[in-house]
Amino acid sequence: SAVISQKPSRDICQRGTSLTIQCQVDSQVTMMFWYRQQPGQSLTLIATANQGSEATYESGFVIDKFPISRPNLTFSTLTVSNMSPEDSSIYLCSVEDPRTYWDYNEQFFGPGTRLTVL
Amino acid sequence: GESVGLHLPTLSVQEGDNSIINCAYSNSASDYFIWYKQESGKGPQFIIDIRSNMDKRQGQRVTVLLNKTVKHLSLQIAATQPGDSAVYFCAESAVMNYGGSQGNLIFGKGTKLSVKP
Repeated sequence: SAVISQKPSRDICQRGTSLTIQCQVDSQVTMMFWYRQQPGQSLTLIATANQGSEATYESGFVIDKFPISRPNLTFSTLTVSNMSPEDSSIYLCSVEDPRTYWDYNEQFFGPGTRLTVL
Repeated sequence: GESVGLHLPTLSVQEGDNSIINCAYSNSASDYFIWYKQESGKGPQFIIDIRSNMDKRQGQRVTVLLNKTVKHLSLQIAATQPGDSAVYFCAESAVMNYGGSQGNLIFGKGTKLSVKP
């Protein structure tokens, strides 16, 4: 299974500032995903990040607010821009671990970045 | 929009008992379902999955049951242990992309399982 690390693990930020979260995988993967988990809530997909193409954003999430980079097959960043207290959440990256062709792929999650915006 | 939800938000069981966590889904086009376990301060951990062409799948101490007729998914944990205490999420996927990618996972609200020693 893929091993995923995220930096920072947590941060406390002032409103109006931006934070870039890094996601590193120990193997090359095609698809990487960014999720948000608000306090006590479930996970909501922000965007899908594929190497070599623009990220695909889900309804309610826009590139200006959550710009994503995917420079290679093992790394991605998510930036939370112009933060407000409503952005306080856990941000998680995940990857699909490709197995056999046409098989369903397990999706593995990083440990998350706990963000608090004051 | 389509959503995945849970019948019970919290579940408390005695150590050694069996646990059953339920999940309802509304998208009849969903063809792949997953249960995740999330411990405090950690990311979700894959437990078990099931495809829509199956109605039961077993793993180590866990069994997932799928009832497509009523759009219901359950996770059964045998001989529940204190280490099983966590929040459990079901997730569904209705996207079978080229190469078998799950695509977008839709997560349920989560059930907190507490195991009493």
